[in-house]
Amino acid sequence: GAVVSQHPSWVICKSGTSVKIECRSLDFQATTMFWYRQFPKQSLMLMATSNEGSKATYEQGVEKDKFLINHASLTLSTLTVTSAHPEDSSFYICSARDPVRGSDSPLHFGNGTRLTVT
Amino acid sequence: GQQVMQIPQYQHVQEGEDFTTYCNSSTTLSNIQWYKQRPGGHPVFLIQLVKSGEVKKQKRLTFQFGEAKKNSSLHITATQTTDVGTYFCAARDDKIIFGKGTRLHILP
Repeated sequence: GAVVSQHPSWVICKSGTSVKIECRSLDFQATTMFWYRQFPKQSLMLMATSNEGSKATYEQGVEKDKFLINHASLTLSTLTVTSAHPEDSSFYICSARDPVRGSDSPLHFGNGTRLTVT
Repeated sequence: GQQVMQIPQYQHVQEGEDFTTYCNSSTTLSNIQWYKQRPGGHPVFLIQLVKSGEVKKQKRLTFQFGEAKKNSSLHITATQTTDVGTYFCAARDDKIIFGKGTRLHILP
């Protein structure tokens, strides 16, 4: 089945530094990838839609200059949390849909990245 | 935009008891998907329902899609400890929107 790989699984960084999270589709090409954020015991909130070869589409309230998204190839999207602050500590999960299976096919999620900003 | 309401937020059941979570929308849904997230894990796709009144089963799990395609339910028969986790329904507008989830806790 379709596999999405996310790296790193967890990261601890100091306040003010930047952190890059990678999301790869391993056995399919994803023109679109989705980045979610999940706070403890809460639902998944869509942050942005990453589009290969063009600008990402950000959800309302998500700062595009703080959460930089780059989708440079059909199998890789990156999310960079710039100038991280403790309130950015969260579980970040990417997902993608195999386009061959159609636009209503299910999302395949990466394992997530647990970010802790000290 | 699309919103899905999911209840209950939490459910504690004795092992062996049944469990049901409900998902409701104010608008007609083209389809609905269900995901399970184990503690500390990532969401895993369970099933997709598309047709009005559709019922699908996966072993002890029964999924239903309402006749009006505005609500859905997931029922687990005779829960086991492996059923622990959060169950999310998700509806697709131009993007997939998740319900708040129902956290299932099994009491031994």
